[in-house]
Amino acid sequence: AQSVTQPDIHITVSEGASLELRCNYSYGATPYLFWYVQSPGQGLQLLLKYFSGDTLVQGIKGFEAEFKRSQSSFNLRKPSVHWSDAAEYFCAVGADGNEKLTFGTGTRLTIIP
Amino acid sequence: DTEVTQTPKHLVMGMTNKKSLKCEQHMGHRAMYWYKQKAKKPPELMFVYSYEKLSINESVPSRFSPECPNSSLLNLHLHALQPEDSALYLCASSQQGYTYEQYFGPGTRLTVT
Repeated sequence: AQSVTQPDIHITVSEGASLELRCNYSYGATPYLFWYVQSPGQGLQLLLKYFSGDTLVQGIKGFEAEFKRSQSSFNLRKPSVHWSDAAEYFCAVGADGNEKLTFGTGTRLTIIP
Repeated sequence: DTEVTQTPKHLVMGMTNKKSLKCEQHMGHRAMYWYKQKAKKPPELMFVYSYEKLSINESVPSRFSPECPNSSLLNLHLHALQPEDSALYLCASSQQGYTYEQYFGPGTRLTVT
C-alpha cells in the first residue's frame, strides 16, 4: 500500500521569499504524485501532477515540484511567495490498480509581510 | 472547464432529519468520489463510483447513502446523523480512477445539531 509523509505541519515564510514544502512517499513501483492547495473552507485545487517523464514538473500559480526516486520525494517549490499563497498544502499519491488517492497530513503555510 | 459544483454550501440538520448533498460535473469524467474532511485533517475517502457503479465503500456507516443517478451527478443522502458527522463534505471527479487527477468541488459544510 502507498503512503505519504509531509514532515512539516506548519511553515512560516516572508512574502517574496522562496518556499519548499516536503513530501515523501512510500510505494514499490512508480507512483502517481499530486500537490493540492486548500484555502480555508474551500475545496482542494490541483497545483501539479507527476505521472512519468521529466522529473521537474511545472504547475499553476508559479509552483513546481521535483520527483526524486532515489529519495522517494516530491517536494513543492516556489521562488517567491505571495500573501495569497497562504493555505493548506496536501501531497497525494496514487498507484496502479488502486482508485484511491492517499493524502499526506498537510502543511499549513503562513506568509508574513 | 474543470468545475465540480456542490450544493448546498452550508447545511445545518438535526439528528432526526433527512437531507441530501448534491454534486455535479460536466467534464465527462467517469469516476466520482465523496470525501469527508474534519478541521485541520486531510480528506478521508468515503465512496467511489466508477462508471455509475459503486466501486469503493470505505466502511462508511449506513446513515450515509450514496447515489449516482447518471454519469454527471452524485448524491449523498443523510439520515439520523450524529454530531461527530459535522464536517466539510467534498465531492471530486476524475477521468477514470487512479491514473488521473481528481478535481474537487468547493464542499458542503455540514453541521449536525
